[in-house]
Amino acid sequence: KAGVTQTPRYLIKTRGQQVTLSCSPISGHRSVSWYQQTPGQGLQFLFEYFSETQRNKGNFPGRFSGRQFSNSRSEMNVSTLELGDSALYLCASSSDLGRGASPLHFGNGTRLTVT
Amino acid sequence: QKEVEQDPGPLSVPEGAIVSLNCTYSNSAFQYFMWYRQYSRKGPELLMYTYSSGNKEDGRFTAQVDKSSKYISLFIRDSQPSDSATYLCAMGGTSGSRLTFGEGTQLTVNP
Repeated sequence: KAGVTQTPRYLIKTRGQQVTLSCSPISGHRSVSWYQQTPGQGLQFLFEYFSETQRNKGNFPGRFSGRQFSNSRSEMNVSTLELGDSALYLCASSSDLGRGASPLHFGNGTRLTVT
Repeated sequence: QKEVEQDPGPLSVPEGAIVSLNCTYSNSAFQYFMWYRQYSRKGPELLMYTYSSGNKEDGRFTAQVDKSSKYISLFIRDSQPSDSATYLCAMGGTSGSRLTFGEGTQLTVNP
């Protein structure tokens, strides 16, 4: 089974621009989550989508948004980029067994650098 | 105070040593516990997934959960240089897939 695929692997943007990151989950997984990883803050939860609906949202400003398509693929968008948005953005999918926190399977991330 | 506390290390051990990694947490709503391994420039890889208190073993890895003390551990037996990575503990509640992560412990196993 193919793992979680994230594209692109690397991105360099300038302040004020916007960016869209893409994620293809493991086949059959309907839950997709996004995390931001930085050296100072570690892994922080951005949001989770399940069956095209946002089910959970972390404490990030509204500049961070996402969506999920009917095939479970997901995108996240960051508008008006700031230097502090430089991070590794990780997508994870899970089978969501409906009985609590399911194990997440991560992609290798998109490394975003804002200059 | 963070919900999940994990000593960031770095931790350096000789090959063959037993490694003990630990996390404490404060949120009683956490019921599911995981350990991930992350190599440089890679995403986290799931190592262990547990629900109840007690031990779970998988090869050289043993995960231990003590809900009464809000303390979880990961033991690595016969450590290998290929185990050199950052180890992250993660915890979740009873709804959805939102996990709270520790900041990770950087482990180096020296040949």
